[in-house]
Amino acid sequence: QQQVKQSPQSLIVQKGGISIINCAYENTAFDYFPWYQQFPGKGPALLIAIRPDVSEKKEGRFTISFNKSAKQFSLHIMDSQPGDSATYFCAAEDQTGANNLFFGTGTRLTVIP
Amino acid sequence: DSGVTQTPKHLITATGQRVTLRCSPRSGDLSVYWYQQSLDQGLQFLIQYYNGEERAKGNILERFSAQQFPDLHSELNLSSLELGDSALYFCASSVANGPAYEQYFGPGTRLTVT
Repeated sequence: QQQVKQSPQSLIVQKGGISIINCAYENTAFDYFPWYQQFPGKGPALLIAIRPDVSEKKEGRFTISFNKSAKQFSLHIMDSQPGDSATYFCAAEDQTGANNLFFGTGTRLTVIP
Repeated sequence: DSGVTQTPKHLITATGQRVTLRCSPRSGDLSVYWYQQSLDQGLQFLIQYYNGEERAKGNILERFSAQQFPDLHSELNLSSLELGDSALYFCASSVANGPAYEQYFGPGTRLTVT
């Protein structure tokens, strides 16, 4: 049972365009929502994260939008660059303090020059 | 470089065998997590240790076990290996235990069971 559903599975964007990846969850106990970036042969690396008390968080070209009532959150990559080509995972963590991350299935982003 | 190290990088073994994967967390991190990444299951949390004690369990099979030693390094033991255990195994560490502590991932160990 997938706790966090992610779409699309793959995404191709032109350089300079906006990349948008969406995630949805059901468990209302989740209260921390990070996005990870993974390059081939490497481990996931934290990109940006949000708590549900805010609806948006921006760091450079990366923005998370969060809709608590819809239980959805998304990653927007502005001015996408070829170097952004990677697999992106959304994740969610519950409030119990166990600190386990539940990951989405990943989105393979390709930014073409 | 996250500061988390994992050995070996690659491991090829036969069905029925047992292997041990090793992880050294970032200096100062007390929590260690193990994840399995496979094509069909994605990234799945297996188990977490905090300062030597098991803290949380996820989708870890009974054939798998882990421990964290006094020097805080951790080992994941996989036994009676099956073809379906072929995957990337990641270790992550965080400074403490609790929500929102950033987890830093190691480069992973690629296990191939033949």
